[in-house]
Amino acid sequence: DVKVTQSSRYLVKRTGEKVFLECVQDMDHENMFWYRQDPGLGLRLIYFSYDVKMKEKGDIPEGYSVSREKKERFSLILESASTNQTSMYLCASSYSGTSTDTQYFGPGTRLTVL
Amino acid sequence: AQSVTQLGSHVSVSEGALVLLRCNYSSSVPPYLFWYVQYPNQGLQLLLKYTSAATLVKGINGFEAEFKKSETSFHLTKPSAHMSDAAEYFCAVEAGNNRKLIWGLGTSLAVNP
Repeated sequence: DVKVTQSSRYLVKRTGEKVFLECVQDMDHENMFWYRQDPGLGLRLIYFSYDVKMKEKGDIPEGYSVSREKKERFSLILESASTNQTSMYLCASSYSGTSTDTQYFGPGTRLTVL
Repeated sequence: AQSVTQLGSHVSVSEGALVLLRCNYSSSVPPYLFWYVQYPNQGLQLLLKYTSAATLVKGINGFEAEFKKSETSFHLTKPSAHMSDAAEYFCAVEAGNNRKLIWGLGTSLAVNP
């Protein structure tokens, strides 16, 4: 079974802190994704990576950056956390083969910025 | 551009009753369609997907969905709801071979005893 793990389930940070969210997948998937999930807004794509060191902006990249130095690891960075970044963050991965490939999700990190 | 609309942000059914969650899509090219489920405090997992083969797609846990091109719909059904079906359900579309999904806003399903 594909396993996608996220470094923390719950995280509390202060405004202005630099925050790192880590995601690791164990199935040699090319594609990795970071979403944020907010009530009533569904899932919104922050960034997407289709290969090591390659990244593409999603729908809401402002205030975020990403890093993919190794194929299995995709990091989301909040350069200076703000209260409006309080949210559930979901990481996903998929094989690159075709458009029908399933995205596999981690359990999520609930981030609170005070 | 692709889009997904899920009708009804909250649906409540009685245990044993039919579950019907509605999803309509917009796409200028043949779409691939997905239903995902999110149980409380968990990530999302795939229920089923339509990939242009059979229009009636069977998924896990007794769910199925029918692709209707003329209605641009991909509604999710289950004949008899179980308490364990209480969850958030998301419909998504992918088109254009860009590997990204366009997500609906989700429907929260409550199952009453």
